[in-house]
Amino acid sequence: DAGVTQSPTHLIKTRGQQVTLRCSPKSGHDTVSWYQQALGQGPQFIFQYYEEEERQRGNFPDRFSGHQFPNYSSELNVNALLLGDSALYLCASSLRRSTNEKLFFGSGTQLSVL
Amino acid sequence: SQQGEEDPQALSIQEGENATMNCSYKTSINNLQWYRQNSGRGLVHLILIRSNEREKHSGRLRVTLDTSKKSSSLLITASRAADTASYFCATSRNYGQNFVFGPGTRLSVLP
Repeated sequence: DAGVTQSPTHLIKTRGQQVTLRCSPKSGHDTVSWYQQALGQGPQFIFQYYEEEERQRGNFPDRFSGHQFPNYSSELNVNALLLGDSALYLCASSLRRSTNEKLFFGSGTQLSVL
Repeated sequence: SQQGEEDPQALSIQEGENATMNCSYKTSINNLQWYRQNSGRGLVHLILIRSNEREKHSGRLRVTLDTSKKSSSLLITASRAADTASYFCATSRNYGQNFVFGPGTRLSVLP
């Protein structure tokens, strides 16, 4: 039973570029949430996808966008990269109707913006 | 703004000792969860406590919740070097709502 997988594990970009991060949820899960974690900080909620639609969004600019595919996998896109976008990006999956609400995290994508 | 705030920010103890971490939050919650993160990688769920519960146990973990004080504590008994990690509390205001994480407590367990 595969857990949450994210790709790539590391990425180096320059300011102004665009980046796409990918996530495959745990088998059986239908909801994907994305978090940004700066060094030494807790994860900050970016947005959540369920049934291929953005259901909730945190306090992030429109440069951050996403998508969920019919197989429940998801992408996070960041346009016009800033130095401050350097962080660990975490994907978490869950089952919408689960009373447990436990999040399963991937190992993350470390993004460095130069 | 952060919903939860862990205290202390960092904790260093000897193997075999107990470690206690605290979490405070600002608004009403549906449930509170604790997660562990090793070396800046993915977070691992440890334990969930609902707003109508006061205490839960899981192995060497004990979590308490005081909704009147809007606070929770995580106790790790008989700590091991492998417990060295960052610990985060996460709160959800309503069922299905996103979780808000605190800044975490960095625990170091020295052999």
